[in-house]
Formats: sequence, structure tokens, C-alpha cells
Amino acid sequence: ETGVTQTPRHLVMGMTNKKSLKCEQHLGHNAMYWYKQSAKKPLELMFVYNFKEQTENNSVPSRFSPECPNSSHLFLHLHTLQPEDSALYLCASSRDRNSPLHFGNGTRLTVT
Amino acid sequence: AQSVAQPEDQVNVAEGNPLTVKCTYSVSGNPYLFWYVQYPNRGLQFLLKYITGDNLVKGSYGFEAEFNKSQTSFHLKKPSALVSDSALYFCAVRDDNTDKLIFGTGTRLQVFP
Repeated sequence: ETGVTQTPRHLVMGMTNKKSLKCEQHLGHNAMYWYKQSAKKPLELMFVYNFKEQTENNSVPSRFSPECPNSSHLFLHLHTLQPEDSALYLCASSRDRNSPLHFGNGTRLTVT
Repeated sequence: AQSVAQPEDQVNVAEGNPLTVKCTYSVSGNPYLFWYVQYPNRGLQFLLKYITGDNLVKGSYGFEAEFNKSQTSFHLKKPSALVSDSALYFCAVRDDNTDKLIFGTGTRLQVFP
């Protein structure tokens, strides 16, 4: 148990669908992150929230839309995705920017 | 430019033998260095970090890493490997000038009985 819970674990969606990924942490952390993990590539940081404010957006396409309603919850809204968006999407949290990250087990996304 | 390199895609070692997983980095400021492990179908788990102080850092599950400033390296080591250590290992570095955390591509460790 990592303290960071991601749902769903697996998601298959068509290119015209709209879906959302959910992340929840009960560690009292102030920073939350979305990462994309593709085979044979470095982990790609997508978004960072610090105290519910988005502090980083690494040139992510607008078909990915994050939402952080409070410091315990983070969403990633998906719409009109492409097959190359298929990957493992990892949520993480940390006490602050210099503390170790605590990761969830990820959502395996397949876009058909 | 800030970067981190893990030169080996895979490391194979026999159980009971020492293991080393290599990591080198490049930063403009002082480095904050981390090692994470990922087991199948799981997220990454923190193993150890170097911020300042002793160059030899001890972490979870008997792992340690040595910070070498002159060689800009932070290799992960364990004196005696276990089959259960088989996993994907990621090195990461944060540059205190840019405040960005960057991960390497990962090294798959395979420990054979």
C-alpha cells in the first residue's frame, strides 16, 4: 500500500471517447503529479500541482486536462486521444518539491 | 542542460553475487539524486536519496548508492543480490538551479537463482 490510489487500473477507450483518471492520496502531501510511462522512454512529467495550484505543464496536448479540486485529489480528463497516447499513467505525491515521490500503481490506458 | 543516463538496459546477476546499476548525471547546480524501483504492474517505489552529507547513502532492502562528484555518478549497489530484487530501477536527479526532476530510462535487473 503506497498511500496513493489510482482508478481505474486499466482503461480501454476509443479515440472519440471522454474518460477521466482519478488519483487520491491520504499522506497529507502538498504536491501532486501526473507522469506518463511509455516503453523504452524516460518517465515524462505532464503536470504538477502545488497546494492545488498548477505549477507546471510540460507542453502537454490539450486533449489531456488536469483538475485538482483539493490537495488530496487529482484528475486527468481525457478526450479525443490518439493511439500513441496508450501508456501507463502514474500519479505521485510528495510533501514538498524536494521530498521523495510516492507513486500510485498507475492506470494502463489503451486507445483504440 | 540537465540530464541523467542509465547506460545499461539490462543487468544480469546470479543470486548471492554483488550487483551494480549505473547512473550518471549532468546538472548546472547542486544535484539531488534519487533511486526508485518498479515491480511489475506497480508504480515506482522510493529506495534512497542523496541531498548532502556522506557520499555513501543507505536505503531500503539493503541497497546503497555512492555519490561521486568528480565522476558525476550515483551508482546503485547491493552486496548480495536476491531473486526478489529483479525489477526495473530508475535513477532521477533534481537540479537545484532549475528545480526540475528528471528520470533516466530505467535498467532492468534480472537476478538468476
